[in-house]
Amino acid sequence: SQTIHQWPATLVQPVGSPLSLECTVEGTSNPNLYWYRQAAGRGLQLLFYSVGIGQISSEVPQNLSASRPQDRQFILSSKKLLLSDSGFYLCAWSRWGAPNQPQHFGDGTRLSIL
Amino acid sequence: AQSVTQLDSQVPVFEEAPVELRCNYSSSVSVYLFWYVQYPNQGLQLLLKYLSGSTLVKGINGFEAEFNKSQTSFHLRKPSVHISDTAEYFCAVSVSQGAQKLVFGQGTRLTINP
Repeated sequence: SQTIHQWPATLVQPVGSPLSLECTVEGTSNPNLYWYRQAAGRGLQLLFYSVGIGQISSEVPQNLSASRPQDRQFILSSKKLLLSDSGFYLCAWSRWGAPNQPQHFGDGTRLSIL
Repeated sequence: AQSVTQLDSQVPVFEEAPVELRCNYSSSVSVYLFWYVQYPNQGLQLLLKYLSGSTLVKGINGFEAEFNKSQTSFHLRKPSVHISDTAEYFCAVSVSQGAQKLVFGQGTRLTINP
């Protein structure tokens, strides 16, 4: 069966510091990968998605970037965090080439910026 | 462009009462629809999905949803709720543009009172 792992679960960072959140998927090959942000009391905002190694699509201009160095690894980064980067970050995967299949989510990372 | 509207931001109900969470979508093409549940500080878990065929779909935890094409709705129902159903519920529509992407509603917070 497939599993998705995100870490860390919680993170407290000062303004201006760098960020690296990691997500890995097991049990499947060539998945589509996604990063979402969920602000307090709000819905999900798609930040980035990837259909293959090195292929990253950005949905909104922002202070963050994403990379996919390996088939089942997706990393969310920032060089300098802003207060507005606080939120709950979720990674998800779906089967490549299957638009009718659901996305499967990790447990999320709670990011607080001080 | 596809969009999803969840008509109620909060729904309080008493334990063992029935509940309906409303979802309307807009799309000019065939749709795939999903309901997800999010418990506090966790990721999203798939409740059920509509891909094609029977308009009444059954999911986990006793939930079901009915796809109504003429009303562009996909309401979620449960005949008798339990305290453990307290969570945030998200309706989503699939958009296929190269990669499968989901457009989420803003969520409905379901609160079960004893």
